[in-house]
Order: sequence, then structure tokens, then C-alpha cells
Amino acid sequence: RKEVEQDPGPFNVPEGATVAFNCTYSNSASQSFFWYRQDCRKEPKLLMSVYSSGNEDGRFTAQLNRASQYISLLIRDSKLSDSATYLCVVTGGGNKLTFGTGTQLKVEL
Amino acid sequence: DAGVIQSPRHEVTEMGQEVTLRCKPISGHNSLFWYRQTMMRGLELLIYFNNNVPIDDSGMPEDRFSAKMPNASFSTLKIQPSEPRDSAVYFCASSIGQLYGYTFGSGTRLTVV
Repeated sequence: RKEVEQDPGPFNVPEGATVAFNCTYSNSASQSFFWYRQDCRKEPKLLMSVYSSGNEDGRFTAQLNRASQYISLLIRDSKLSDSATYLCVVTGGGNKLTFGTGTQLKVEL
Repeated sequence: DAGVIQSPRHEVTEMGQEVTLRCKPISGHNSLFWYRQTMMRGLELLIYFNNNVPIDDSGMPEDRFSAKMPNASFSTLKIQPSEPRDSAVYFCASSIGQLYGYTFGSGTRLTVV
């Protein structure tokens, strides 16, 4: 089983739609969780951390379910500029972060 | 804050040649990571350093790959000899601790022909 699993997509949604991505992880000892965004031919950039209580940043909401080892990202009122690949990231041993292979989002007119 | 700086941005080389990739982490970050990204395998951690010391190099594919961090502000990843299957984007990232995530450089796009 992969350490971090994501649906690769692509998710094709119309502008203004709400879209949700899910991610599962295998290491029950993981302590920190993140969502990164990667644009085509660019480096991954931190989008937001994921806290046990859930957290929101504008149109983006992240949630963590430790019991099910499950992380989600919700994007409301999606914009064309949200088109990117979204990477689920969890901590592993030492100071390592383990990245999922990413979910591709395409927001269309 | 200049961010993580990598050079070169692009490298095209012939099979068998030595390739050296360079990275300057963010000042004050004590961890440095080298990743490789391909369409087939996604982001793969090659090696990481804490306080300039290599901690885990289990991701280094084979002896042709080596990495050094002689001081807190500089690291290199060397491939000798290079092969076409090494073609990928190589990212360097730095961090002050896993609670804060990583900051990535812009990457080096390596093509070995």
C-alpha cells in the first residue's frame, strides 16, 4: 500500500463549482499534514496546513480524520486560476514529508 | 527572502557526462531535501540533510548519484555518469521543521540525450 494515496483525476469542473479531493495515508504515527499546489512546470507550493479541528482559508477548507487516516480539501466557488495539481502531504519518520502523486484539477468556463 | 535557489534551471547533457545540480537553501533552515519528479513516479525523495549531515539517502537510485552539503548555505547533487533515464525535474527544498512544511526551489530540468 502506498504511504499516501490520491485519486489522480483529472477533475474537470465548471467555474463556480465546489470540488472536493480526498487522500488517505498509511502511517498512523503521522503528525503533520499539508496540501500543496503545483502548477504546470512549476515547483510545489504550500497551500495550507491541515489541523485536527479542520481549518479554512478563504474558499479552501481542509479536514483531517485521524481515525480513518483520511484528509480532504474542499474548494468552493472554483476559479479558472485554481486549475493545478493538488498534492496531499503527510509527515513520515524523521523530518521527512511524504507526497502523494497529486490530483489534477481543471476549472473550465 | 530570496527563497530556495537552484541552478541551473535547465541542463541538457549527453549520456555519460557528469552533471552537478546546485542548491542554496533559505537562510536559517536546518533541513535540506533533494527530490526528483517524473510523470511516471511523481515526487521521489532522494536524500535529506539535517544540520548539513546526510540523514537518509535510501532514495538515491544508485551509486551514480551523490549529494553533499559542505555548509549550511550550499548543497550539490551529482550524477556521474548520467543516463537518459535520469531525465527529470530535480527539486531542492528546505525547512525549519516538518511542522512548517517545505519551501521548494524552482527546480532543475535535466535532459540526458
